[in-house]
Amino acid sequence: AQKVTQAQTEISVVEKEDVTLDCVYETRDTTYYLFWYKQPPSGELVFLIRRNSFDEQNEISGRYSWNFQKSTSSFNFTITASQVVDSAVYFCALSINAGGTSYGKLTFGQGTILTVHP
Amino acid sequence: DVKVTQSSRYLVKRTGEKVFLECVQDMDHENMFWYRQDPGLGLRLIYFSYDVKMKEKGDIPEGYSVSREKKERFSLILESASTNQTSMYLCASSPREETPEQYFGPGTRLTVT
Repeated sequence: AQKVTQAQTEISVVEKEDVTLDCVYETRDTTYYLFWYKQPPSGELVFLIRRNSFDEQNEISGRYSWNFQKSTSSFNFTITASQVVDSAVYFCALSINAGGTSYGKLTFGQGTILTVHP
Repeated sequence: DVKVTQSSRYLVKRTGEKVFLECVQDMDHENMFWYRQDPGLGLRLIYFSYDVKMKEKGDIPEGYSVSREKKERFSLILESASTNQTSMYLCASSPREETPEQYFGPGTRLTVT
């Protein structure tokens, strides 16, 4: 079975601080995908990034960066120079490729509530 | 842009009522999913469908059923609503590709009194 753990329930920072959201996953499959989603107060989950298990290259997109380390089964998300608009719930998720029969089912972490104060 | 819509943002029902939650996607996606979201538990998969009239149980199917008569529409049914089904319900869809990202609707906050 798959499992995703986001140990940080809530994080509070002041604007312009850097913040890292942790994600640790468990799976026995060698082929899998990891995702980050953002859920702003409006409620709709917004897709941020997908990484596959064969690509450990870190990725940067503007103020967002992701660090994928298979050795520690972690896929951490860093926001640089945080802004009030970054306030949201952030979810890490895992999907396995079980011979193509997984249908893209996602296993989600518990979510981290990020509050950025002005 | 992919658009997933849900029939209601907020819904209040009484215990024992039959409740229908509707989800429609406009991108011709094969896969559709229903999740419930509860504080501290993240999102948990209730049911999903990979084709018209096809459905499979997720992690917490008890007390729920689903219907997919048309490709674009996926309905979640609470046969007899109970207070422990008070939750946020999220619908998602994805194309038939290997583990693609899912696109979510705005959610329905259901309160059962």
